[in-house]
Amino acid sequence: AQSVTQLDSHVSVSEGTPVLLRCNYSSSYSPSLFWYVQHPNKGLQLLLKYTSAATLVKGINGFEAEFKKSETSFHLTKPSAHMSDAAEYFCVVSDRSGNNRKLIWGLGTSLAVNP
Amino acid sequence: DTAVSQTPKYLVTQMGNDKSIKCEQNLGHDTMYWYKQDSKKFLKIMFSYNNKELIINETVPNRFSPKSPDKAHLNLHINSLELGDSAVYFCASSQDRWGVGLNTDTQYFGPGTRLTVL
Repeated sequence: AQSVTQLDSHVSVSEGTPVLLRCNYSSSYSPSLFWYVQHPNKGLQLLLKYTSAATLVKGINGFEAEFKKSETSFHLTKPSAHMSDAAEYFCVVSDRSGNNRKLIWGLGTSLAVNP
Repeated sequence: DTAVSQTPKYLVTQMGNDKSIKCEQNLGHDTMYWYKQDSKKFLKIMFSYNNKELIINETVPNRFSPKSPDKAHLNLHINSLELGDSAVYFCASSQDRWGVGLNTDTQYFGPGTRLTVL
């Protein structure tokens, strides 16, 4: 069965420094992987998506993620954090094991950006 | 030009009451979903409808009943509300078309409805 593990529940960085949010997945199939962001008291916004094309995926707001099959990882990075990046980030894998596909969500990583 | 909208945004009610949350999408998508997000931010799918047909029904109490009058709408009715129903409920939609091989897996979310049961 598909699953995702977000390795850090909280990450704190200083403004202007790099961001790394870690995600490992488990999948019997070639997975589709996503990162979603949720700002405080807001809905969920798709940051980026991997679907077996280029392994380095660029998303919105300067974020990118690299699919590494050998490490079963899909870590999210950004070269320079901005205060507005403070939010909850979710790593998601598409479950293709049944007849009806659904998304399997990680528990989230809360990103704090300090001035 | 809101893509996925939900009403109401906030809902405060007493235990035992019945309430509904409405969801509409103007993206022309075939599939819609309801999720529940608990106080620890964990997201769990509840239901999914494809072209007005129920396709995913996770282990959700019978008190929760989704209704899809057309492809653009998926409403959630909750009977006999309990304290444990307090959560944020998200509606989402996707282009996925079950049975014809169109599976984008990409879901677009509404702003959420914060339900508080007192």
